[in-house]
Amino acid sequence: QTVVTQEPSFSVSPGGTVTLTCGLSSGSVSTSYYPSWYQQTPGQAPRTLIYSTNIRSSGVPDRFSGSILGNKAALIITGAQADDESDYYCLLFMGSGISVFGGGTKVTVL
Amino acid sequence: DVQLVESGGGLVQPGGSLRLSCAASGFTFSSYAMSWVRQAPGKGLEWVSAIGGSGGNTYYADSVKGRFTISRDNSKNTLYLQMNSLRVEDTAVYYCAKRVVEVAGRYYFYMDVWGKGTTVTVS
Repeated sequence: QTVVTQEPSFSVSPGGTVTLTCGLSSGSVSTSYYPSWYQQTPGQAPRTLIYSTNIRSSGVPDRFSGSILGNKAALIITGAQADDESDYYCLLFMGSGISVFGGGTKVTVL
Repeated sequence: DVQLVESGGGLVQPGGSLRLSCAASGFTFSSYAMSWVRQAPGKGLEWVSAIGGSGGNTYYADSVKGRFTISRDNSKNTLYLQMNSLRVEDTAVYYCAKRVVEVAGRYYFYMDVWGKGTTVTVS
């Protein structure tokens, strides 16, 4: 069974840039997986950030961007702010109606 | 305002059953696919199930296939998740989410609106 992989954690300085990735245990992520990204703070529902690789959801600041980097999907946070400290999850569409989340990345801003 | 409100969570013994509901408002419910996503305590998000707008197509994660049934009543703008043969590992917050599949001929496959969740405890 294919597993969606994410870095467990990342630390970034205020104003800095961090790139989170979303890969597959077997194979490469492409736009055909329609990668999307979600932000979640403790006790809250997820918030949609990016869909279809690089389209920002309504109201999402432009410091969040998405792309394909090499064989993975990527979420780039440019100019990190304190309230970006959250868990970030990618979601891939695997075909046949099935989607799978990655394990999530905890981002600390300090 | 687009809104999703889950209900039906609670405490159930292993092997028991529970039915979750998700009341939708603010959009044409029958035009959209819907999903259930869960999050076990201290763990990440897990995609559980999805259903097409008409209710004709349903999809499940392997972890719940054969035990959970997703359904919808478009006349009541309500999504359901019937959970049978519950296990301790099904303990989680269950989120209802609106699933965007296709818009104007282009495919997307993501969730754009989320409910606040309902808690299921199997113990």
